[in-house]
Amino acid sequence: DTGVSQNPRHKITKRGQNVTFRCDPISEHNRLYWYRQTLGQGPEFLTYFQNEAQLEKSRLLSDRFSAERPKGSFSTLEIQRTEQGDSAMYLCASSLGRTFYNEQFFGPGTRLTVL
Amino acid sequence: SQQGEEDPQALSIQEGENATMNCSYKTSINNLQWYRQNSGRGLVHLILIRSNEREKHSGRLRVTLDTSKKSSSLLITASRAADTASYFCATDEEQAGTALIFGKGTTLSVSS
Repeated sequence: DTGVSQNPRHKITKRGQNVTFRCDPISEHNRLYWYRQTLGQGPEFLTYFQNEAQLEKSRLLSDRFSAERPKGSFSTLEIQRTEQGDSAMYLCASSLGRTFYNEQFFGPGTRLTVL
Repeated sequence: SQQGEEDPQALSIQEGENATMNCSYKTSINNLQWYRQNSGRGLVHLILIRSNEREKHSGRLRVTLDTSKKSSSLLITASRAADTASYFCATDEEQAGTALIFGKGTTLSVSS
């Protein structure tokens, strides 16, 4: 399967714990995005990388959130001191680059439940 | 924040019928994209229409774009039970970064 993959698919944690998610984009894609989706809503943008550079961050990305893409390939999203409000589906997407098309391909998501 | 609204929020039809979903947005865009999401799963890209295009087809999908009204519609013809899913429009804004801005989606239920 050469699509976007995410691990883990599900994560249950207790409030206050740290969690880390991983995203492996489509191999030739240089752009990688993180979105968050809560029940009944569309995805909301969190952050974006071009290669290893984090170029854009949403105001939704509080100080407890950090994302990395160290070698311009896979990316990790860490949430520190999780809160119940962090419970959501975290989606990763990748694309070839900023063209007039910007077609983004999404992974299956990581569903986080904070107890 | 979310860019626009899909209409209706929910749609129930019989197999074989056509389903039409509408999307409105607020700002100038480079393109508009439609995605499908099955319950609890990731998003599947369906079709992209550029701001200088008015209509596009892909299989049983027909998308229109009216930039003067800042609206788009997605038509699924001859629907199947497997089309049951949530459908989202997403806009690539001219003045924003590369993030897609999603609406809240239309939940389509197709019964056999």
